[in-house]
Parts: sequence; C-alpha cells; structure tokens
Amino acid sequence: GAGVSQTPSNKVTEKGKYVELRCDPISGHTALYWYRQSLGQGPEFLIYFQGTGAADDSGLPNDRFFAVRPEGSVSTLKIQRTERGDSAVYLCASSLWGGGAENEQFFGPGTRLTVL
Amino acid sequence: AQKVTQAQTEISVVEKEDVTLDCVYETRDTTYYLFWYKQPPSGELVFLIRRNSFDEQNEISGRYSWNFQKSTSSFNFTITASQVVDSAVYFCALSGPTSGTYKYIFGTGTRLKVLA
Repeated sequence: GAGVSQTPSNKVTEKGKYVELRCDPISGHTALYWYRQSLGQGPEFLIYFQGTGAADDSGLPNDRFFAVRPEGSVSTLKIQRTERGDSAVYLCASSLWGGGAENEQFFGPGTRLTVL
Repeated sequence: AQKVTQAQTEISVVEKEDVTLDCVYETRDTTYYLFWYKQPPSGELVFLIRRNSFDEQNEISGRYSWNFQKSTSSFNFTITASQVVDSAVYFCALSGPTSGTYKYIFGTGTRLKVLA
C-alpha cells in the first residue's frame, strides 16, 4: 500500500509569509506525528495527533506554528509570519495506533521549507 | 533527561568492509525503546529495528546486526560486507514514558559513505 505522503516536497517562501504543509498518512493509521529536521541534526518532535485531536503539542516552538487534523486523516502544519530560522525539513509520520513505541512510526519524505 | 549520542559524524568505508555505527543513550526510564532508522538521499526515514529495554538479545537481519548492552547504555549497529546502497545517514532514537513513548528522541545521525 501507499506510504506516508507529503506535499509540497519543496517550498520556498519569503520572510513573513504564511505557509501550509500537508501530510497524508498511511490509510488506517490513527496516530500522526510531525517532526522538524534542521541541517545536520536528527528529527525533533513537534506534535502528535491521536485521531482528530492533538494529544501532545509540546514540541511546537511558538504560537506561529499550528497543526490540524480535522477528519482524523490528512494533517496540515501551518506556519505564520515565517522566519529564516524556520527553514528545515518537516517530516510527517504515522503509526497504526498511538501512545506506545511498540507501534513503529512510518515516515514520509518530508517537505523542505526554505525561508528567504 | 533523555538523550541519544551518535559521536561518529561521518564514516567512509570501502565496499565489502564491515562497519559499526555507535549509539549511546541516556534515560532514567526502566522501560524504554531503542530504534535505528536509515535516511537515504531521498530523505525518507526507513525503519530498521525496534528494541525493548527488557530484551537484550542481539539481533541479526541479513547483513545487519545490532548489539544492545544495557550496562554501557549502547545500541550499536553493524553492517557486514557493506555495499554502496548502504550509503545513507543512520539515526538512532530512544523513546520512553518520561517524555512520551510516542516521542522519539533522535541522535544527530551518522553519515555512512560506502565507496565502490
């Protein structure tokens, strides 16, 4: 079956603009995660959804970042008033269930965001 | 705090050589999970293995093997008879109840270059 897909694969924007990054999880996966990977670093957790609700958004860096998953499937990560420091690869992952590491997370290819 | 250290930033080997990627972790949890992921140039993180802290048996999967030693808090990964297709960045990750078992804590990764 299809894996996790993310669109766009690349996004270039100007400082101060608003961007939306989309994630399509594996069909039937109830848990969805967003991570951010800066150059030369490992992914860092941003937010975890169980169904439609954000079970843990403690990794979001500030209130410019927001994510939704209105129907419990596709998720959108929204960044307002982008800053150059937001430039990174944004990774999405999904797992069959959430809350436990015994359900491994399957990652998408990421969206590379560049803020000029 | 939970932390994963991958001290080797980059390793280069010649094809058919064996190579070991080191991973050292810190956690106060008694139950935790360790993971290895491969990130090829395409960017998608590929799941390789998950290990429960209570299972200290080493594991072999084809040319891949993992050595888990709780006494030294290490979870090293060995590739036997490396191939050019093994070239990628490899990440070790940890999860546990202190930060949330769904929240993977990644190391900074080791870039492996296998030369033909």
